[in-house]
Amino acid sequence: KAGVTQTPRYLIKTRGQQVTLSCSPISGHRSVSWYQQTPGQGLQFLFEYFSETQRNKGNFPGRFSGRQFSNSRSEMNVSTLELGDSALYLCASSVELQETQYFGPGTRLLVL
Amino acid sequence: EDQVTQSPEALRLQEGESSSLNCSYTVSGLRGLFWYRQDPGKGPEFLFTLYSAGEEKEKERLKATLTKKESFLHITAPKPEDSATYLCAVQAYYGGSQGNLIFGKGTKLSVKP
Repeated sequence: KAGVTQTPRYLIKTRGQQVTLSCSPISGHRSVSWYQQTPGQGLQFLFEYFSETQRNKGNFPGRFSGRQFSNSRSEMNVSTLELGDSALYLCASSVELQETQYFGPGTRLLVL
Repeated sequence: EDQVTQSPEALRLQEGESSSLNCSYTVSGLRGLFWYRQDPGKGPEFLFTLYSAGEEKEKERLKATLTKKESFLHITAPKPEDSATYLCAVQAYYGGSQGNLIFGKGTKLSVKP
């Protein structure tokens, strides 16, 4: 069974731009969560989607948003990029809410 | 506030030298405790889920245990390929319908031949 896939794998943007990251969950998984990983803060929860509805949201500004489609694929968007948004963005999928989460390889975003 | 603390931050072992990694947590209503392994530049790889105090799980050279306040990841006779960062995360009950993972900062393990 194919794992979680994320595109693109690497991205370079400049301050003020916006970016959209994509995540395809494991087949049959209906819940998708997003995390931001930085050397200083570690892994921090962004949001969780299930059945196209945001079920939970972490403590991030409104510039960070996401959505989930009917096929469970998910996208996250960051608007007005700041230097501090440089990070590894990880997507994880699970069969249902509160089940074991399996992570994708991540998208490494560099903001210049 | 829910919190996860991992120790040590870094651990250097000789091949074959067994040791343990610690994960202490405070959470209001533990639904599950998870261990992941992360290699540089990759996403975390799932290892174990533990649900209740006293539970133990094993996989090859790794054994995870859980008490009411902490979890241990025991590594027996490690090999260089066990070198990675090991992450611990907890998931709490929130009204029975949601509960994100709260991660510790990880333990970076280096195993020298």
